[in-house]
Amino acid sequence: DAKTTQPPSMDCAEGRAANLPCNHSTISGNEYVYWYRQIHSQGPQYIIHGLKNNETNEMASLIITEDRKSSTLILPHATLRDTAVYYCIVRGAGGTSYGKLTFGQGTILTVHP
Amino acid sequence: NAGVTQTPKFQVLKTGQSMTLQCAQDMNHEYMSWYRQDPGMGLRLIHYSVGAGITDQGEVPNGYNVSRSTTEDFPLRLLSAAPSQTSVYFCASSYAGELFFGEGSRLTVL
Repeated sequence: DAKTTQPPSMDCAEGRAANLPCNHSTISGNEYVYWYRQIHSQGPQYIIHGLKNNETNEMASLIITEDRKSSTLILPHATLRDTAVYYCIVRGAGGTSYGKLTFGQGTILTVHP
Repeated sequence: NAGVTQTPKFQVLKTGQSMTLQCAQDMNHEYMSWYRQDPGMGLRLIHYSVGAGITDQGEVPNGYNVSRSTTEDFPLRLLSAAPSQTSVYFCASSYAGELFFGEGSRLTVL
């Protein structure tokens, strides 16, 4: 699976949008981009994933560049409860790739009042 | 649904002792995996399974054994605990891409 690069930390004001970047310049055509977050010491929580198109769900939006070498996770209205470590992960499609994710260091997002 | 259930939540072992971390899921997921997380680090894959009777090694398998006799259960065995295995252990299950994680098991080896 392709390697990802994320900034180690970011700050965001409560109520503002949080934009978390991720570089995955070696991503292959059939690899997906996944985002998870880990609040304190809990188990990681799935947020969103995408292949080529931009995706949106009730938690966040995922913007993937046309060349797929980078992406941005957007939390539209950050709250204090969004303070967490956010992981950007690239995963191959199908087969034994299911259940196997390579977690990097992630980005520590701190939402302040 | 309970999701992914891990037991115990906390455990203290002495060096050389053995123990089993239990993991059960009630979502009928084929894929299950074990990760460890050391302080300030991301998660590292220990072992994973793509279905009952099938297991394979992840990034850091040494010192751990697994088996998958049923779809629901995926226990992780430490045969002879070492201080380097002090960590938080997370079990996860998946039906496709999205992983569902348990709450973690905190293990301390003295």
